[in-house]
Amino acid sequence: KAGVTQTPRYLIKTRGQQVTLSCSPISGHRSVSWYQQTPGQGLQFLFEYFSETQRNKGNFPGRFSGRQFSNSRSEMNVSTLELGDSALYLCASSVRGFADTGELFFGEGSRLTVL
Amino acid sequence: GQQLNQSPQSMFIQEGEDVSMNCTSSSIFNTWLWYKQDPGEGPVLLIALYKAGELTSNGRLTAQFGITRKDSFLNISASIPSDVGIYFCAGQDSNTGKLIFGQGTTLQVKP
Repeated sequence: KAGVTQTPRYLIKTRGQQVTLSCSPISGHRSVSWYQQTPGQGLQFLFEYFSETQRNKGNFPGRFSGRQFSNSRSEMNVSTLELGDSALYLCASSVRGFADTGELFFGEGSRLTVL
Repeated sequence: GQQLNQSPQSMFIQEGEDVSMNCTSSSIFNTWLWYKQDPGEGPVLLIALYKAGELTSNGRLTAQFGITRKDSFLNISASIPSDVGIYFCAGQDSNTGKLIFGQGTTLQVKP
């Protein structure tokens, strides 16, 4: 069974640019969550999508957005990049998301560096 | 917002030693989970706890859901080099179902 796939794995951008990250969940999983991981801050919740609808949102500015497609694949976008956006962005999938048991299956992440 | 306080932040131990880490919260959680993240990988679920007072083992790992529903601990017995990584606790908000993660405990094991 294929795991959660995130692309790209690594990318470098400059301040002011925008970036789009992609996540393909495990087959049959309808929920996709996104987390930002930085040293010392742990995993900060960005948002959760279920059946193409944003169901939960974290405390991030509007520059961070996402969407989910009918095949459950998800993308997140960060516009007007800032240096502080440098982080590992993790995508996690589950069958029913936060209505479920809380078990998430994570991808390997996309490491974004903003210069 | 909700926060989890996870301690210690880091540990450097000798192979064979036991390890203990814990998480506390100001909020009540329905579920406590413990994840491990190996270098270059995403976190992987180790143990899930669903009832206050529940004590669950997974091999050398033992975790407990605090009776107040505001804390949890994870013990690793007889540590080995492959235990190296970052351990995260996570609590599931009883209202929204959202998972809140702790800051992580970085474990290093000296052979």
